[in-house]
Amino acid sequence: GAVVSQHPSWVICKSGTSVKIECRSLDFQATTMFWYRQFPKQSLMLMATSNEGSKATYEQGVEKDKFLINHASLTLSTLTVTSAHPEDSSFYICSASGGTGWGGYTFGSGTRLTVV
Amino acid sequence: GENVEQHPSTLSVQEGDSAVIKCTYSDSASNYFPWYKQELGKRPQLIIDIRSNVGEKKDQRIAVTLNKTAKHFSLHITETQPEDSAVYFCAASRGGNEKLTFGTGTRLTIIP
Repeated sequence: GAVVSQHPSWVICKSGTSVKIECRSLDFQATTMFWYRQFPKQSLMLMATSNEGSKATYEQGVEKDKFLINHASLTLSTLTVTSAHPEDSSFYICSASGGTGWGGYTFGSGTRLTVV
Repeated sequence: GENVEQHPSTLSVQEGDSAVIKCTYSDSASNYFPWYKQELGKRPQLIIDIRSNVGEKKDQRIAVTLNKTAKHFSLHITETQPEDSAVYFCAASRGGNEKLTFGTGTRLTIIP
């Protein structure tokens, strides 16, 4: 079945630094990638939607200059958290759409970001 | 945009009993309704989904019903087992490459 590989699975960084999270679709072309953020004991909140080769569409309240999304190919999308602060600490997870026959959404394994 | 409400937020049932979780959605164009089970720190795991051309779907102990007119859908788990304890999320989408909107989640606890 469709697989999305997400790395790193966890990362600790200092305030003010940037962190890049990668999601790769291993056996299908992900025409659309969705990036979610999940705080403890809360739901998955959509941050942005990206389509290969075009600029990402951000949800209301999400700073596009802080959360940089690149979807340069059909198999790779990246989320860069710039100038990270402790309040950015969260679980970030990607989800790809675009598998053969549209089998739904395929989720990455998530990245636990801790900013100290 | 789409708004998905989910109830209850917590649910405790005796092992062997049934559990029901309900969701409502606002976008009448939504036509894909998946249910996910999420363990702590893990990705959501699809347990069942339904598309708007059917009203009910069943997979062993799990079933989902959809009422498009009322814009609500429900998850039914029968003969619950301790391993069913987890957080469950409903979601809705227009399908294709459209975004998926999640409900607020239900923490299900199965009491042995």
